[in-house]
Amino acid sequence: AQSVTQPDIHITVSEGASLELRCNYSYGATPYLFWYVQSPGQGLQLLLKYFSGDTLVQGIKGFEAEFKRSQSSFNLRKPSVHWSDAAEYFCAVVTGNQFYFGTGTSLTVIP
Amino acid sequence: DTAVSQTPKYLVTQMGNDKSIKCEQNLGHDTMYWYKQDSKKFLKIMFSYNNKELIINETVPNRFSPKSPDKAHLNLHINSLELGDSAVYFCASSQGPPGTQYFGPGTRLTVL
Repeated sequence: AQSVTQPDIHITVSEGASLELRCNYSYGATPYLFWYVQSPGQGLQLLLKYFSGDTLVQGIKGFEAEFKRSQSSFNLRKPSVHWSDAAEYFCAVVTGNQFYFGTGTSLTVIP
Repeated sequence: DTAVSQTPKYLVTQMGNDKSIKCEQNLGHDTMYWYKQDSKKFLKIMFSYNNKELIINETVPNRFSPKSPDKAHLNLHINSLELGDSAVYFCASSQGPPGTQYFGPGTRLTVL
């Protein structure tokens, strides 16, 4: 069965520090991959997506993610975190007509 | 212009009542979804409609009934509400599965 794993439930970083959020998936073929962000009390906003092609994808708000087939991973990165990045981050995988979300990583940014 | 909208944003009701949540999208998408997000932020798909036809119907109580009057609308009706139904419900839409999903702002349902 397909699954998405976000191993880090909660991450705390200092403002200005770099960030990497991990995402691993379990699927036989290359799925469509997404990262969404949910600010407190808000809906989910798409940060970036990977369907095919260049394995390093750029998204909004200075985020990027790299698809690594050999590791079944799609980790999200940002070189310098801003206080406004504090939110819940969800990795998602689409296979067929099913969307599978990870359990989310909560990001806290300290001044 | 709101792409995916939901009403109401907040819904507080007593156990046993029947309530509906409405969703509308103006993106021209042909597929719409309902998700439930529990208190631990876990997102679980409930239903998916493509061109007004049900294509995903996960294991949810039959007290939950989606209705799609047209491609732009997918409403969720809940009968005999229970305490465990308290959650945030998100509507989303996409252009065909497996397209990128765009989410509404959510409806926070509280059952007392």
